[in-house]
Amino acid sequence: DADVTQTPRNRITKTGKRIMLECSQTKGHDRMYWYRQDPGLGLRLIYYSFDVKDINKGEISDGYSVSRQAQAKFSLSLESAIPNQTALYFCATSPAPGVGGVETQYFGPGTRLLVL
Amino acid sequence: TQLLEQSPQFLSIQEGENLTVYCNSSSVFSSLQWYRQEPGEGPVLLVTVVTGGEVKKLKRLTFQFGDARKDSSLHITAAQPGDTGLYLCAGSNNFGNEKLTFGTGTRLTIIP
Repeated sequence: DADVTQTPRNRITKTGKRIMLECSQTKGHDRMYWYRQDPGLGLRLIYYSFDVKDINKGEISDGYSVSRQAQAKFSLSLESAIPNQTALYFCATSPAPGVGGVETQYFGPGTRLLVL
Repeated sequence: TQLLEQSPQFLSIQEGENLTVYCNSSSVFSSLQWYRQEPGEGPVLLVTVVTGGEVKKLKRLTFQFGDARKDSSLHITAAQPGDTGLYLCAGSNNFGNEKLTFGTGTRLTIIP
């Protein structure tokens, strides 16, 4: 079984609809992230969470919200989807690095979202 | 905001050729990572470099961190079709709470 899973893998929705993308992990990591990927722009951070009660905005949080329901689950919501939110969305997890250590992120397979 | 620019954005070469892709920034990073992403999958870590001037080899892939820790390069020798993918660099000023900043990506295609 995959360590980081995302559901759904593909989603088509209409402008104005509310949708939720879900991420689950079995790696036991404290840190979880949501990114969106657009051609030529790499990965941009939407929100991240370092623990169950910790939520932080990333580079492009407007129009999105998140919920960290448990250590293993981190969901991303689009309250009112718009066409420019069409993108590939990735969830990632990481263990907290040791002092002076370097963080390694483990990614899910992605959710392809199309907003019409 | 720290930015990482990768070049070229696209690269298509014949199997067996050598290539180098670059990751550049005006900011200093304490570490630099390279990830590879294949179609339908998320990025997977290839290597982490932490010391200015550091060189790491992973089979036919050679990674270098610039002396000033502002840039990095990935050199592939005798490219194979299995090297095809999106290569992403990611920098960190990681002192426990910083996030990764990802580059813009290089999409590499190796033609058999």
